[in-house]
Amino acid sequence: DAGVIQSPRHEVTEMGQEVTLRCKPISGHDYLFWYRQTMMRGLELLIYFNNNVPIDDSGMPEDRFSAKMPNASFSTLKIQPSEPRDSAVYFCASSFRVGDGYTFGSGTRLTVV
Amino acid sequence: GDSVTQMEGPVTLSEEAFLTINCTYTATGYPSLFWYVQYPGEGLQLLLKATKADDKGSNKGFEATYRKETTSFHLEKGSVQVSDSAVYFCALRAGTASKLTFGTGTRLQVTL
Repeated sequence: DAGVIQSPRHEVTEMGQEVTLRCKPISGHDYLFWYRQTMMRGLELLIYFNNNVPIDDSGMPEDRFSAKMPNASFSTLKIQPSEPRDSAVYFCASSFRVGDGYTFGSGTRLTVV
Repeated sequence: GDSVTQMEGPVTLSEEAFLTINCTYTATGYPSLFWYVQYPGEGLQLLLKATKADDKGSNKGFEATYRKETTSFHLEKGSVQVSDSAVYFCALRAGTASKLTFGTGTRLQVTL
């Protein structure tokens, strides 16, 4: 298995632009998680899905952030409009079932200038 | 609510030294416990886990024992290598909860 695949690995964009991050979970995993990691705030859970349905989006910072999972093999995290304070590493992770650990992707390093 | 507390870093050790990174937790029910490792520029990787009291998780020379009486899951390694330099995260998944609760991470720096 190729693991959790995220794209792009790096994204540099200008303030106000729309940014879309992509994730392909491991086949058969029922859960998908989006995290953000910064030096100041550490790891933050933004949203997670179970069987493609959003379960908890309480970590999404504001309305500028949205996430979708149209099918079991693909999810997107969109920021519109982007701001410099959104600069962070965004991780996607997937899990087979409750009680298992996660498998993380390699992350997308977002820089908003 | 559920929480994980890790010792503050950075931890700096010489190669072949003994490593302990403390982790304590607060949770309802009987959580599963995990240690993740993050190497520079990479995502988190599962290092080891334990799902019930007195279980010992182990991998790559690292060990951690699930201690229910002290609500702890300390990470240990008998002889660290420079290649072990990374950030280590303790985490729990409580009962039927779907999501992991992470600690703040402990940076380990191993020098020659």
